[in-house]
Amino acid sequence: RKEVEQDPGPFNVPEGATVAFNCTYSNSASQSFFWYRQDCRKEPKLLMSVYSSGNEDGRFTAQLNRASQYISLLIRDSKLSDSATYLCVVNPSGSARQLTFGSGTQLTVLP
Amino acid sequence: DVKVTQSSRYLVKRTGEKVFLECVQDMDHENMFWYRQDPGLGLRLIYFSYDVKMKEKGDIPEGYSVSREKKERFSLILESASTNQTSMYLCASSWIAGGPNNEQFFGPGTRLTVL
Repeated sequence: RKEVEQDPGPFNVPEGATVAFNCTYSNSASQSFFWYRQDCRKEPKLLMSVYSSGNEDGRFTAQLNRASQYISLLIRDSKLSDSATYLCVVNPSGSARQLTFGSGTQLTVLP
Repeated sequence: DVKVTQSSRYLVKRTGEKVFLECVQDMDHENMFWYRQDPGLGLRLIYFSYDVKMKEKGDIPEGYSVSREKKERFSLILESASTNQTSMYLCASSWIAGGPNNEQFFGPGTRLTVL
């Protein structure tokens, strides 16, 4: 079983739609969680951290369910510029060093 | 602004050649990482380093070695390139401090093709 699993998509949605991505992780001792965004032919960049209480950054909302070992990302009012691959990322040990990356979910927002 | 640079964007090598990929960061980060990214497999950690001359194996170190002689520079070496090492190679760096947001900053990547 992969340590971090994501639905690869692709998700094709119209502008203005709400879309949700899910991710599960296998290590119950994992300490911290993130969503990274990777544009086509570019490097990954941190989108947002995921906190136990859930957190919001503009149109983006991240949720964590430790009991089910499940992370989600909700994007409201999708823009064309949201088209990218979204990587679910887990810090398995709490150290500053290693992160485990999911293989990503591809989103295309259509005009 | 954090900047991580990699020596080449595209590289074509022949089987058996020795290949050097260089990465430089300008933010005085202690941690540096080398990943490869393949379709459907995501980013997989090859090696990382948390200090000069220190290195630790990641998930897929076979066929690779690394060198960190200066804090800002981390090199990935393919001693004898093989076709299954054709991939996108990404370097990243981060601060050593723990906490909830140990963000990794990535370079633009090197697409290596081994013929």
